[in-house]
Amino acid sequence: QQQVKQSPQSLIVQKGGISIINCAYENTAFDYFPWYQQFPGKGPALLIAIRPDVSEKKEGRFTISFNKSAKQFSLHIMDSQPGDSATYFCAASGAAGSYQLTFGKGTKLSVIP
Amino acid sequence: DAGVTQSPTHLIKTRGQHVTLRCSPISGHKSVSWYQQVLGQGPQFIFQYYEKEERGRGNFPDRFSARQFPNYSSELNVNALLLGDSALYLCASSLRLAGFSGELFFGEGSRLTVL
Repeated sequence: QQQVKQSPQSLIVQKGGISIINCAYENTAFDYFPWYQQFPGKGPALLIAIRPDVSEKKEGRFTISFNKSAKQFSLHIMDSQPGDSATYFCAASGAAGSYQLTFGKGTKLSVIP
Repeated sequence: DAGVTQSPTHLIKTRGQHVTLRCSPISGHKSVSWYQQVLGQGPQFIFQYYEKEERGRGNFPDRFSARQFPNYSSELNVNALLLGDSALYLCASSLRLAGFSGELFFGEGSRLTVL
């Protein structure tokens, strides 16, 4: 049973465009929603995270939008750059109790010049 | 400062063998977590240790075990290896057991191939 569903599986965006990745979760006990970026041969690195008491969080070119009623959240990458080409994972946890993260299957983003 | 370090980086084993993977957390971090990442999938939680005690276990068989040492480093052991155990094994450390202000810092992983 996959508790965090991520789409699309792959995404191609032109340089300067907006990349949008969507996730949906099932477990209403989740209260911490991070996004991770992973380059080939590297471990995942935290990009940005949000708690369900806010609907949006922005850090630089990266924005998380959160819809608690729909149990959905998304990552927006503004002004996408070739250096953003990586695999992105959404995740969720009941952070009050642990850092046991449930990850989505990932989105491979390619930003073309 | 050194990040999370894992060893070995790559290893090849045959079915039925045993493997031990090692992890050194970031200095000062007291919690270590282990994740399995199968090619093309997201990481899947295996264990979390905090202050040398197991504080969480994912849906993995008893062939998987781990421990955390007094210096907060950790070992992941897998017995009776199966082909399906081939994966990237990620170690992550965190300052705390849980909470909203902290984060998990991942190492680069140990790539295990089972033949």
